[in-house]
Parts: sequence; structure tokens; C-alpha cells
Amino acid sequence: AQTVTQSQPEMSVQEAETVTLSCTYDTSESDYYLFWYKQPPSRQMILVIRQEAYKQQNATENRFSVNFQKAAKSFSLKISDSQLGDAAMYFCAYRTRLMYSGGGADGLTFGKGTHLIIQP
Amino acid sequence: SQTIHQWPATLVQPVGSPLSLECTVEGTSNPNLYWYRQAAGRGLQLLFYSVGIGQISSEVPQNLSASRPQDRQFILSSKKLLLSDSGFYLCAWIWSTEAFFGQGTRLTVV
Repeated sequence: AQTVTQSQPEMSVQEAETVTLSCTYDTSESDYYLFWYKQPPSRQMILVIRQEAYKQQNATENRFSVNFQKAAKSFSLKISDSQLGDAAMYFCAYRTRLMYSGGGADGLTFGKGTHLIIQP
Repeated sequence: SQTIHQWPATLVQPVGSPLSLECTVEGTSNPNLYWYRQAAGRGLQLLFYSVGIGQISSEVPQNLSASRPQDRQFILSSKKLLLSDSGFYLCAWIWSTEAFFGQGTRLTVV
């Protein structure tokens, strides 16, 4: 079974600075997807960024980018120019690609999350 | 467009009482549906998933059960709640790289 580990329960960063959230995972598969989700105080899960394992290029979405190291099974999230609205829980998640055509009984495997605090 | 509804948003129940949380999906047919629980400091734990009517798979043995009475309806239940059932419950519809989440239910068992 796949596991996802987020070793930082809490991170703090000054507004406008850059912060990196760590995520490692364990899998025997070669083809899969990785995600970062943001969960603000409202508890709504919001997709931040998505990476397909077969793509070597790191995904970017505006101020959010990832450092995907497939061999090391590492998937960190970098938030540039941090804003107060970035304060939230951030979850790293894994999904197998094996069930692509038929949906997936495996769903998403989540890490325990990192609580990001933005200091004004 | 696809939407997912989950209710109630908040629930306070005494120990030993029953539970019923409902999740419905719009804008798709035969969705793969999931129930997750989020306990403090433990991330999101997959409880049940369903790939069709009447088809339920349990990931974690516990005091809860799930049912899929209709194609776009997924229900989480318990006959007798325990204190340890307290937490935040999320319904999700997941397909390929897309995931849609309900608003969640904060359950407090007292």
C-alpha cells in the first residue's frame, strides 16, 4: 500500500517570503499522480497543484510550484510571495494511475498535513 | 457541472445514538464515491468507497457503515456512536485526476 509522509506538522513564514512544504511517499508503482490540496479554516478542500509522475517537468500554478524528485520519492511544494490568504492546512496526496480508465477504488492517499501560518 | 452536496454541516450527538450522514452528487452518473474522516493530527483517512449501487468497500474496521442506495447517493451510518467517532467527515467523488469534495460534516460525540 502507498503511504504519504509530511514531516512538518506546522510551518511559519513571513508575508511575501517563500516557504517550502515537504512531502515524501512510498510506492512500488511507476505511474501515478501527486497532488497538493489546501484546506482553509472553512474546511473546503481546494486543489493547489497536480503532478503526473511520467512528466519530468515540475508543475507550476502561479505562485505555487513543486519540486518532484521521482527517484527520491519526494514532492515538495514551494509557495512564493506568501500571502495571508495562503494560511491553511496543506495536504500532499497520492493517486495510482493504474485504475485510470475505470475510475479508481484506491481513491486518494493523504499525508497528515502541514499547518501553514503566515506572519504579517 | 459536477457538484457534490453533503449534510449536515455540524452535528452533536450523544454516545450511543445513531448517525446518518448523506452525500449526493450532481452532473455525473455512476460516480466513484468515498468517505474520509479527518481526526486532529491524523490527516484524511479513507473509510469507505463505492463504485456503484450496493457496492461498498471498507478500508478500516470500525463502528461505522456505508450504503449506496442510489447511483448518486452515498450514506455513512452508525447504529451506536462512540466518543472516538468524533471528527470531520468528508465525502468525495474521485475520477482519474479530478476530485470533488463535499463541504464536510463536523461530528462531535458527547
